[in-house]
Amino acid sequence: GAGVSQSPSNKVTEKGKDVELRCDPISGHTALYWYRQSLGQGLEFLIYFQGNSAPDKSGLPSDRFSAERTGGSVSTLTIQRTQQEDSAVYLCASSLTGGYGYTFGSGTRLTVV
Amino acid sequence: DAKTTQPPSMDCAEGRAANLPCNHSTISGNEYVYWYRQIHSQGPQYIIHGLKNNETNEMASLIITEDRKSSTLILPHATLRDTAVYYCIVRVVNAGGTSYGKLTFGQGTILTVHP
Repeated sequence: GAGVSQSPSNKVTEKGKDVELRCDPISGHTALYWYRQSLGQGLEFLIYFQGNSAPDKSGLPSDRFSAERTGGSVSTLTIQRTQQEDSAVYLCASSLTGGYGYTFGSGTRLTVV
Repeated sequence: DAKTTQPPSMDCAEGRAANLPCNHSTISGNEYVYWYRQIHSQGPQYIIHGLKNNETNEMASLIITEDRKSSTLILPHATLRDTAVYYCIVRVVNAGGTSYGKLTFGQGTILTVHP
């Protein structure tokens, strides 16, 4: 596609439920990143996929968070047993390997009630 | 990646040039300077990047000091739509032009463009 696509754009879930957030990167982009942004805060790195290499999971805040990238394309971020502090905008970005800019999606706004 | 320092906020009149400074005094020789901006409720948008020479594109100009310890992003004719948070980031780019790993975003500068 022309840009990075994320779905859903908004998600309201009850505390304790599991959620899955999807990211479709730009075709051909080998790198994919997940960030989250809480209200009024900066961007917090979560996880990074680069080609067939093992992902950099150093930013995942707890073992309730996991992500996978199938076939080097679509990625799914899963949050298990959601908590209210998980409420944030979850942003996905992709890039070519080459030192150039990331392209971000519009994000998924997650609200845990 | 080297740390950057930016003023928390700046104002600019519409039609004037907006000059956003960034200090990166610990930058290494193989680290590039990147600028992104985030308009309210949108994902960050890439603006420009450079190593040591000044760069210009359709969005902005990037001026990097000779010692590379600071840089300035210039929006030549700011409009109301340029109101956003502007992030300055430094990142390693390898000799072959490849770059790996995450971008680390700081707090950025909130630029407000006034009519």
